[in-house]
Amino acid sequence: NAGVTQTPKFQVLKTGQSMTLQCAQDMNHNSMYWYRQDPGMGLRLIYYSASEGTTDKGEVPNGYNVSRLNKREFSLRLESAAPSQTSVYFCASSEPRLAGVKETQYFGPGTRLLVL
Amino acid sequence: GNSVTQMEGPVTLSEEAFLTINCTYTATGYPSLFWYVQYPGEGLQLLLKATKADDKGSNKGFEATYRKETTSFHLEKGSVQVSDSAVYFCALSDQGGGSYIPTFGRGTSLIVHP
Repeated sequence: NAGVTQTPKFQVLKTGQSMTLQCAQDMNHNSMYWYRQDPGMGLRLIYYSASEGTTDKGEVPNGYNVSRLNKREFSLRLESAAPSQTSVYFCASSEPRLAGVKETQYFGPGTRLLVL
Repeated sequence: GNSVTQMEGPVTLSEEAFLTINCTYTATGYPSLFWYVQYPGEGLQLLLKATKADDKGSNKGFEATYRKETTSFHLEKGSVQVSDSAVYFCALSDQGGGSYIPTFGRGTSLIVHP
């Protein structure tokens, strides 16, 4: 099992450029998430997908869009990058919700994005 | 709403010292509680968890006990090693309201010197 994989690992963009961050998981998890991590801010949720075919906004969705392509894949798109979107982006997935068992999150290695 | 508060860092210790990282939470339902660890340049990974009051989670010498009366889940380790240097995140997942969204603290950086 590869777990959660993310591509690319690093990216430099110019202001106004667009890009898509890819995420895939091979653990058959229903729920997937995109976070950004900034110094002193901890993790902030951008979007999440509770199950295939559904997506919902998190705490900081502005400037981003997502696609839950299938159960395995969840992509994050920046349509017009801004310097404020310089961050480390993490994708995560979580176990199915079973009676009495609450989700553990499994994280990818992250994408480091610099917007100039 | 739900929230997690953990002590600010960095916490700087010498090898073999005792570690405590405080974490308190606010939740509307009956949450599960987690500690995640992030090593430099990597994503977060689960360190330990507890799913109900008075449960103790443990892993790699780290322990934390779910205290409902004080709404706390403090992380402890009796003797830290240089390899424990990382950022530690306290988190909760709340079943109440059917939310799938976990809530994370801001993280506490631990630096262990030889």
